[in-house]
Parts: sequence; C-alpha cells; structure tokens
Amino acid sequence: DVKVTQSSRYLVKRTGEKVFLECVQDMDHENMFWYRQDPGLGLRLIYFSYDVKMKEKGDIPEGYSVSREKKERFSLILESASTNQTSMYLCASSQTGTTTYEQYFGPGTRLTVT
Amino acid sequence: AQRVTQPEKLLSVFKGAPVELKCNYSYSGSPELFWYVQYSRQRLQLLLRHISRESIKGFTADLNKGETSFHLKKPFAQEEDSAMYYCALSPTSGTYKYIFGTGTRLKVLA
Repeated sequence: DVKVTQSSRYLVKRTGEKVFLECVQDMDHENMFWYRQDPGLGLRLIYFSYDVKMKEKGDIPEGYSVSREKKERFSLILESASTNQTSMYLCASSQTGTTTYEQYFGPGTRLTVT
Repeated sequence: AQRVTQPEKLLSVFKGAPVELKCNYSYSGSPELFWYVQYSRQRLQLLLRHISRESIKGFTADLNKGETSFHLKKPFAQEEDSAMYYCALSPTSGTYKYIFGTGTRLKVLA
C-alpha cells in the first residue's frame, strides 16, 4: 500500500517567514510532485522531480523552491511567505516507465499565511 | 495550448439518476486521460484511466478523439459518489506530468 505522507496537515505562518513543507513516500518512486489546490483553479503543478537532486519547474514556480536530497523525500520551500500563497498543498509520487503511471497523493497541507 | 476543461464547477443530481461529468481536452497528439476523485476528508486518488477501459464503482469513461472528450458517466448515481472529480491529461506517454482540469463537485441528493 503506497504511502505518501506530508509533515503537517495545517500550518499557519506569518508574511515573510520561510516555510518548509515536507513530503515522504515509501514506494521507491522516482517521480515526486508538488501541487497547489485552489477552488475554481484545480490542481496546479509547482515543481516536480524525476530523480534525486533533479527538479523541473511546473506551471507556477514563482515564489517557491524545492529540494530532493533523498529519493523518498521532496521538500517545498517558500522563501518568504506571502498571503497569496495561502492554499492547500498536495504532494504526489509516481513510478517511471513506458507509460504514465498513477500518481499517489498525500493528505495535503493547508497553509495559511497571515 | 495543452488544456483540460471541465465546464461544470458543481453538478447536482438525485440518487438513481444518470450522471455525466464533462471533460474536454486540447492536445494535438495522443494523450493519456485520467479521472481522479477526492471524497470528503480523503486524499485524491485515481478513479480510472482510459487505457484500462475498466468500470470502477460503476463509472466509465470513453475517450473520443474526434470530439477531444473524456466524459465520466454512471447510469445510476449513489449518495457515496458525492465528491470532487478531476479530469487529467498526460501529454505524452512517459512524461509523468499531468495537466489537471479545474474539477467538478458532484452532489448526489437523496
């Protein structure tokens, strides 16, 4: 049973703070993803990583950075949190192959920036 | 541009009525299409994908390349089908990235 865990379910931060969101998967998946989920906007890809230390920008990378030092862990960093980054953040992972595999999602972190 | 469109933000149907959640896509190649579902207080999960041609929980979806659509259908809605549904496209087999639609919230009324 695939498990994708996220470090916090709820997080409240102040404007300007540096914020770390952590994601861990236990299925040895090569690919990991960070999304924002906002009502009416669906899921938007922030960054993804296809291997350790490898990353690629998604559709909305501005204001975010990522780190993948180990295969099972993918961190999303908000260098200086702003109120427009208040959102639900979803992490996902998938394996690599000749087809596009299912993405397995974490429970989400609801971040509020005040 | 690559895009997935779900025209309905909210769809309300009565229990036992047929359901159709619409999904249209814009892509010139041969994409892979998926439906993901998020039940209340649960994580987002795969419902079905077009290449498997399965029926999951009574839902089916047929890829219509001529109309570039991948509508999700169920003949008789159940209350437990109430959830948020996302249509997703993977542009090319093996790229691993998805493009998600904006989602449709399905409410099945008793």
